[in-house]
This record gives sequence, structure tokens and C-alpha cells, in this order.
Amino acid sequence: QLQLQESGPGVVKPSETLSLTCTVSGDSISSNSYHWGWIRQPPRNGLEWIGTIYYSGSTYYNPSLKSRVTVSVDTSKSQISLRLTSVTAADTAVYYCASVPAAMFEVFDYWGQGTLVTVSS
Amino acid sequence: SYVVTQPPSVSVAPGKTARITCGGNRIGSKSVHWYQQKPGQAPVVVIYYDRDRPSGIPERFSGSNSGNTATLTISRVEAGDEAAYFCQVWDGNSDHWVFGGGTKLTVL
Repeated sequence: QLQLQESGPGVVKPSETLSLTCTVSGDSISSNSYHWGWIRQPPRNGLEWIGTIYYSGSTYYNPSLKSRVTVSVDTSKSQISLRLTSVTAADTAVYYCASVPAAMFEVFDYWGQGTLVTVSS
Repeated sequence: SYVVTQPPSVSVAPGKTARITCGGNRIGSKSVHWYQQKPGQAPVVVIYYDRDRPSGIPERFSGSNSGNTATLTISRVEAGDEAAYFCQVWDGNSDHWVFGGGTKLTVL
């Protein structure tokens, strides 16, 4: 069974870049069995899809974030990365990484526990 | 982009049936996936592709999808079912994943 663990700074200053990593264990990140996604959840709010990266390297982003977001995979470290530039208080949220089975690419089946990022000076 | 709409809250007595809806334009032509999220925890998929249950999810959870409405049905509701439930679709027109706003299920 896959396990995912997000990590990164808990506080980011406004206008700076938010950088998070998600470490995957339980299967090879470089197999063609999974794609990978990032989802966030502002405090007391719903889920917002951020972006998905296919095992082929193709990326898809939420249009509301597309100009600021980059998702990438480092197979040597079994990590998925998220970069979000020019952050504001509106980017304060719990950030989750999740696996997307290639055979059921619409679904986020395994999720990390999430990491809270607060944008504050 | 595609929009899916959920009621903010649903209340149900223990032992009764809860129905949580997810509305969208011709959502019946898409596949709908449902997630349960308890406070302080990550979401867990309870129904995928309209009506399939992952292993470990009780048979009390079922799903349907037709026309402009998809429905998550929870039979014989238990106190432990109290949680937020989110529907989600993949919009093939844009290659985007879309979540509903979530429904808070309260067990009275």
C-alpha cells in the first residue's frame, strides 16, 4: 500500500514562494502505475485541486493557479514537489499530495496526512 | 470550467438513510467520486466511478448518478459516519479535476 508524506515550511512570507515535497513509499514512484496530485484545503473550507502530474511528465493545473504553480517529480528521491509563487494570505491551507491510479486516473486514492502552510509576515 | 454543487449540510437520525447530492450540468455523463473527511484527517475515497466501493468501505455506502444529479447514499447511518463528504469529477473537456464544496453530515 502506498504511503505519502508531505513536508515543508509551516510559514511562508507574503510574496515569497511556497515549496513542498511529498515522499512516496510502498511502490516505485517511477512505475507507470500512478500519477500524482496536489490538493489544498483552506481553513474551515472545501477541497481545491491544485495540479496533477502524469507518469509521462505531462502536467495539468487548476486554471486559477496555473500562472503560479509548478508540480514536478524527482524519481531519485521518490518525491513529488509543489512550488507556488507570489503567495498571499489566500494561499493559507492544508496541502495534501495524493496518488492517482493510472488505471483509474480520475480518482485520488491514497492521500498524505497533509501539511498546514500559513502565509504570514 | 465545470462546476459541481453540494448542499452545505445534511442531518439524519441514527439508523436512518442519508442522501447527499452533487449537482452539475449533465453530471450523469461523467463519473463521480466521493470522499469522506473526518476532522483533522485526510479525505478517504468511499465511492469511485459513481457506484464502486473500495475495499474496507461498508456496503452501507452506495452511489448513483443520472441526469444532473449524483447521490451518495448512506444506509443505517451510524454516529461514526458524521463527517464532511466531497464529490469530485474529472472534466474531460479541460483535463481538470473538480471538487464540490462539501456537505457536512450531522448524525442527530
